[in-house]
Amino acid sequence: NAGVTQTPKFQVLKTGQSMTLQCAQDMNHNSMYWYRQDPGMGLRLIYYSASEGTTDKGEVPNGYNVSRLNKREFSLRLESAAPSQTSVYFCASSEYRGPISGGARDEQFFGPGTRLTVL
Amino acid sequence: QKEVEQDPGPLSVPEGAIVSLNCTYSNSAFQYFMWYRQYSRKGPELLMYTYSSGNKEDGRFTAQVDKSSKYISLFIRDSQPSDSATYLCAMMAGGTSYGKLTFGQGTILTVHP
Repeated sequence: NAGVTQTPKFQVLKTGQSMTLQCAQDMNHNSMYWYRQDPGMGLRLIYYSASEGTTDKGEVPNGYNVSRLNKREFSLRLESAAPSQTSVYFCASSEYRGPISGGARDEQFFGPGTRLTVL
Repeated sequence: QKEVEQDPGPLSVPEGAIVSLNCTYSNSAFQYFMWYRQYSRKGPELLMYTYSSGNKEDGRFTAQVDKSSKYISLFIRDSQPSDSATYLCAMMAGGTSYGKLTFGQGTILTVHP
């Protein structure tokens, strides 16, 4: 199993350009997430998808859109890139058994990340 | 004020030392507490997961949660150079917020031989 894969690994954009970050998981997980990581900020949730067909905003959704294409794939789109979006982007997935599992562990598995620079 | 505060370090210790990493939080709705380890240029990986107050031990690692003080800790015993990484605490609430992790800033740890 490859786990969570992300493409591309690196990308340089000019201000105003658009691009889509791709994420796929082969663990048959229900939930998928997009985070960004900036120095001194930890990881911040951009968008998440609790299950196929649903998406919801996280802490920092402005400037981004997402598509849950199917159960395996969850893409993140930057319509008009800005220098403030320079960051490392991580995709994650989890089985999401939810609170009804009685607090059982619901681990999020992370991909290797995409390093994006916007000039 | 950030919901989760973590001392970013960096922290440098000799091999064999006991390491203590800490996070404080302000959101009393947080019920689930995690520690992730992140090696350079890699994605985070789950190290410890706790639900209730108290201690949880896994090999050389012990996670401690004190909900009354809104304080969590990770202890690493007999630290090894392979423990050198960034350690991130993460938390989530229940209900409709379940699954949405809030991370601390991360602590950079170096264990030197």
